[in-house]
Amino acid sequence: KAGVTQTPRYLIKTRGQQVTLSCSPISGHRSVSWYQQTPGQGLQFLFEYFSETQRNKGNFPGRFSGRQFSNSRSEMNVSTLELGDSALYLCASSQGQETPAGNTIYFGEGSWLTVV
Amino acid sequence: GDSVTQMEGPVTLSEEAFLTINCTYTATGYPSLFWYVQYPGEGLQLLLKATKADDKGSNKGFEATYRKETTSFHLEKGSVQVSDSAVYFCALSDRTASGTYKYIFGTGTRLKVLA
Repeated sequence: KAGVTQTPRYLIKTRGQQVTLSCSPISGHRSVSWYQQTPGQGLQFLFEYFSETQRNKGNFPGRFSGRQFSNSRSEMNVSTLELGDSALYLCASSQGQETPAGNTIYFGEGSWLTVV
Repeated sequence: GDSVTQMEGPVTLSEEAFLTINCTYTATGYPSLFWYVQYPGEGLQLLLKATKADDKGSNKGFEATYRKETTSFHLEKGSVQVSDSAVYFCALSDRTASGTYKYIFGTGTRLKVLA
């Protein structure tokens, strides 16, 4: 069974630009979550999508947005990039069922974003 | 609110030493508990989990027992290898007021094993 796939793995953007990251969940998983990981702040939750609807949201500015498609693939977008947005962006998927086992999340390898 | 506290790193051990990484939690509900491992340059991998009190999760020689009375989920391994060098994250999953589940992660503990 293929794992969570994230693209691109590495990218460099300039301040003020925007970026779109993509995530393909494990087959059969309907929930996709996004996290930002930085050395100073650790893992921070961005948002979760389930069946194309945002189900949970973290404390990030509106420049960070996401969406989920009918095949459960998800994208996240960051507009007007700032230097502080440089981070590893991790996508995780789960079955999304309301049971402990059904909510175990599995991570992709991440997308390394550098803003210069 | 819910939180996870794990011991500060880095932890440096010699090969074949015994490993303990402490993790305690606070939760409003009855959470599931997890350990994830992150090797350099990679994402997080699920190492083990436990979903109810007294459950023991185990994988690759690592173990952790869900202790409700002490709200702890300490990670242990009897004999570490150089290949275990990584960052270890303790996490909980708890039900939110809206009925969905939300993950809370600890800050991570870096383990370095010397040959």
